[in-house]
Amino acid sequence: EDKVVQSPLSLVVHEGDTVTLNCSYEVTNFRSLLWYKQEKKAPTFLFMLTSSGIEKKSGRLSSILDKKELSSILNITATQTGDSAIYLCAAGDNYGQNFVFGPGTRLSVLP
Amino acid sequence: NAGVTQTPKFQVLKTGQSMTLQCAQDMNHEYMSWYRQDPGMGLRLIHYSVGAGITDQGEVPNGYNVSRSTTEDFPLRLLSAAPSQTSVYFCASSYSGTGNWGEQFFGPGTRLTVL
Repeated sequence: EDKVVQSPLSLVVHEGDTVTLNCSYEVTNFRSLLWYKQEKKAPTFLFMLTSSGIEKKSGRLSSILDKKELSSILNITATQTGDSAIYLCAAGDNYGQNFVFGPGTRLSVLP
Repeated sequence: NAGVTQTPKFQVLKTGQSMTLQCAQDMNHEYMSWYRQDPGMGLRLIHYSVGAGITDQGEVPNGYNVSRSTTEDFPLRLLSAAPSQTSVYFCASSYSGTGNWGEQFFGPGTRLTVL
């Protein structure tokens, strides 16, 4: 059975801290790893990773995929209160739309 | 450009009732999906479609039906509601073009309670 695991499930930090969120996956015919941010309502897309070892960056956020270890990390540097959210990781198979999501990491950034 | 829209925003049903959750997108996306989100469980895929007339089951399809007669619309039907279907339902769409298919755009969600 395909599955995605995230750790930690919950994290509390102070503004300015750097955090690393972890995602590991077991998906048949793996094709892609996606990260989303979910605040109060719908998830919003952050990154899609398909190649191992290539870092994707967007401002203070960055992510990298390790296909050998079947894992990915999401780094957030100089955290701000606006980074408080649930961060979801999802793994997709070769057929394009069959995504398996992890339970999410709830990040709380305190002022 | 409204993106992905869902109706209703909230719904309360009694056990055994049926209803349809509506989803529409105006981005000409070929891919559309339905997810449910329960506390502590992330998103679970119910059904998805890779184009008009083509649908497939996801992880938790039992108790739900879908159809895709147009590119824009992807309704989700609950056949006979059960309390276990109490959840928040999200519809999502994405473009099938090279490099873009993973970026799903989500609707605002429908909060469903089954009594």
